Amino acid sequence: DTGVSQDPRHKITKRGQNVTFRCDPISEHNRLYWYRQTLGQGPEFLTYFQNEAQLEKSRLLSDRFSAERPKGSFSTLEIQRTEQGDSAMYLCASSFPGFYEQYFGPGTRLTVT
Amino acid sequence: DAKTTQPNSMESNEEEPVHLPCNHSTISGTDYIHWYRQLPSQGPEYVIHGLTSNVNNRMASLAIAEDRKSSTLILHRATLRDAAVYYCISHNAGNMLTFGGGTRLMVKP
Repeated sequence: DTGVSQDPRHKITKRGQNVTFRCDPISEHNRLYWYRQTLGQGPEFLTYFQNEAQLEKSRLLSDRFSAERPKGSFSTLEIQRTEQGDSAMYLCASSFPGFYEQYFGPGTRLTVT
Repeated sequence: DAKTTQPNSMESNEEEPVHLPCNHSTISGTDYIHWYRQLPSQGPEYVIHGLTSNVNNRMASLAIAEDRKSSTLILHRATLRDAAVYYCISHNAGNMLTFGGGTRLMVKP
């Protein structure tokens, strides 16, 4: 399978704990995006990378959120001191620059109790 | 990116064509119109995009009004597997996508 993969698919954590999600994009894609989706809503943009450079961050990405893409391949999204409001589906997508299609992974569903 | 307006939900019968409308009255001249769909428990999936001319691909057709203030996604023969939320997005120059609420398409056998 050469699509975008995300790990884990589900994560349940207690409020105040830190969590980290991983995204592996399609190998030739040098753009990588993170989105968050709450129940019944469309996805909301969080941040994106071109290669290892983080080029844009949404105001939704508070100080408790950090994303990295150290070698321009996979990316991690860490949430520190989780809150119940962080419960959502976290989606990763990748694309070629200049190509409009973004390819999404299956998402990581986070539940904060 | 310009705001788009879509009906919350639509119903279709299996094997019949489906026309999903989208209004984007504030679209700028360089904004492309994109459609994605999201099947239950999956990430969004690219369907089609266009600028001015109508577009066809293996999944669907996109009809764009001459004034570009509206567009219609056409599924030529709906199947049960087409039941999904369809998002219309007005998008410029390839950065983040701004999703609205989309249209939930229900397909009846």
